[in-house]
Parts: sequence; C-alpha cells; structure tokens
Amino acid sequence: GAVVSQHPSRVICKSGTSVKIECRSLDFQATTMFWYRQFPKQSLMLMATSNEGSKATYEQGVEKDKFLINHASLTLSTLTVTSAHPEDSSFYICSARGAGAISEAFFGQGTRLTVV
Amino acid sequence: AQKITQTQPGMFVQEKEAVTLDCTYDTSDPSYGLFWYKQPSSGEMIFLIYQGSYDQQNATEGRYSLNFQKARKSANLVISASQLGDSAMYFCAMTKEGGGNKLTFGTGTQLKVEL
Repeated sequence: GAVVSQHPSRVICKSGTSVKIECRSLDFQATTMFWYRQFPKQSLMLMATSNEGSKATYEQGVEKDKFLINHASLTLSTLTVTSAHPEDSSFYICSARGAGAISEAFFGQGTRLTVV
Repeated sequence: AQKITQTQPGMFVQEKEAVTLDCTYDTSDPSYGLFWYKQPSSGEMIFLIYQGSYDQQNATEGRYSLNFQKARKSANLVISASQLGDSAMYFCAMTKEGGGNKLTFGTGTQLKVEL
C-alpha cells in the first residue's frame, strides 16, 4: 500500500515556541491531506483539510492562526503549532490520498507533542 | 451530519476465538464508504477493511470481514481466529463514497486478546 511518512514521531517543546510537523507521501502524489488530533483514549478529530496549492479548510473551533497548515507540493504538507501551550499537548496524525478513486486514506505514524 | 457510534468501549476475546466489534452509523448521504482502522499502542492507524455503500457483497480481508447491514445502518467488524497481536484500539469511520473526503471516526473499541 501507499506510504505516508510523518516526522517527528515525538517532540517536546517549551511553552511559547513553535513546532513544525511534516507529512510526506512517499510513493504517490497526495492531492489532499488531512490533519487530525487525538487526545489520550479518545477518537481522532479532524482539524483541517489541505489541498495542494490552496488554503487549508479548518474545522469549526480550530484556530487557523495557531495551527498553520501548508501544502506546498503534492508530496508534502506541514502543520505548525505556533506559540504552543501545554493544552496543545496531543497526538497529531495526518492522512493523505491521491487523485485516483482509492478507497482508503493512508495515515502517517503520528506525532506525539508534549509542551512543557 | 454523519455520525459513527461504537458502543463497546472495551472487549475481551480469547486467542483463536472470533470477535465482533459493533459499529452503527447515521448519514443522509446516499453514497458513502465505511472503514475500519486498527490503532496499536504505538499510535499509527492501520487500514483494515473498506465497504462501499453500494457494494452487494460484504467486504473481507484475510481474517477481517465486515458485516454490512445497510437497512440497519450497521457495519460490524468480525475478526476470526484472534491473535495476541490483535490487541489494539479499533476505530470505525465513514466518508463519502470514493474515499476522497474527510473521515468521521467513532469513539473506538479497545480489544484485548487473552491466552
């Protein structure tokens, strides 16, 4: 199956700093990427949808100025958590799909962010 | 709006036995897709099986099968011959047909396979 690589897998940062998470499709061109957030023992909640070359579409309640998403190429989308605070600590995971009618979304390995 | 319901927060099954994980859904879309994902403790989401709303046959992938009952809006996952490595969190999800759009996830079922 298609491979989506997400980095870093774990990151610890100080409160007030920014953290960038990368999501790459390794063997296909991802026209659409999705960013999810998962709190411990909870489900995945969609944060935003990004399409290559255009602005991301954010879900209701997600601060677009805090969670900056860039999808500059067909193989790379980035999520930047700006001015991180301890409440931003969570598991962030991306998924990607290509342009064809594939019947699954491929997920990255996820990033566990801890803000101290 | 679409909604996925998983009513079993936790399930236990003995090794080599079969187990059914429940999933019901609600949608007004005439065309949609249903997914099951496995999430081990490491966090990655592993795709297991897909069922399209117009598929006549129930989907099967190795030891996984999806019991799709459209009229009841249920899409239960059946795992046969459980293995210790099947212990994980299992999520049911749905999207519009074609898999292109965002996924709506259920709350998940934690499965533990015991000796």
